[in-house]
Amino acid sequence: EDQVTQSPEALRLQEGESSSLNCSYTVSGLRGLFWYRQDPGKGPEFLFTLYSAGEEKEKERLKATLTKKESFLHITAPKPEDSATYLCAVSSYGANSKLTFGKGITLSVRP
Amino acid sequence: EAGVTQFPSHSVIEKGQTVTLRCDPISGHDNLYWYRRVMGKEIKFLLHFVKESKQDESGMPNNRFLAERTGGTYSTLKVQPAELEDSGVYFCASSQDRGYEQYFGPGTRLTVT
Repeated sequence: EDQVTQSPEALRLQEGESSSLNCSYTVSGLRGLFWYRQDPGKGPEFLFTLYSAGEEKEKERLKATLTKKESFLHITAPKPEDSATYLCAVSSYGANSKLTFGKGITLSVRP
Repeated sequence: EAGVTQFPSHSVIEKGQTVTLRCDPISGHDNLYWYRRVMGKEIKFLLHFVKESKQDESGMPNNRFLAERTGGTYSTLKVQPAELEDSGVYFCASSQDRGYEQYFGPGTRLTVT
């Protein structure tokens, strides 16, 4: 059974203070690893897909990386508008195309 | 391009009543998924349609839940009769191809009292 663990559960940063969010996963065969952003009262918003170890993707202040066991979402010089819950999910070849989610990391960025 | 839409945004019903949730996927997306988040837990998969066919319904909790996707367009998820533990946020997502990114709707918050 696929498993996803995210840490820490919550993170408070000062504006401009860079940090990383961790996503550890266990799958039978990774089809893809997905990062989503979720704001209160809204649905998850797609950010990145990573398919193989060593792959990296960037979008504005966010950079996602992938190894065979974990993924990191690096946030460089965050702004208050980056405050949200960040979700990690995996899709494996053994589980059709459903996503298995972690519990998410709630990020708060203070001005 | 319009995103995934869901209706209603919030539903409050009493135990034993019936509720039907609706999802309209992104136009042209053959794959449609239902997920649920119960308070304090992670988002969990319920089922997957490819066009009008159920591809995977391994996450459906029991036979009180019935999902349909007539004509391969919008989908409905009916809960009958509702129980207290059915409370949560129900998300719908769609994707163009299997294994690719899924785009989520805003969710329907279901409260069973």
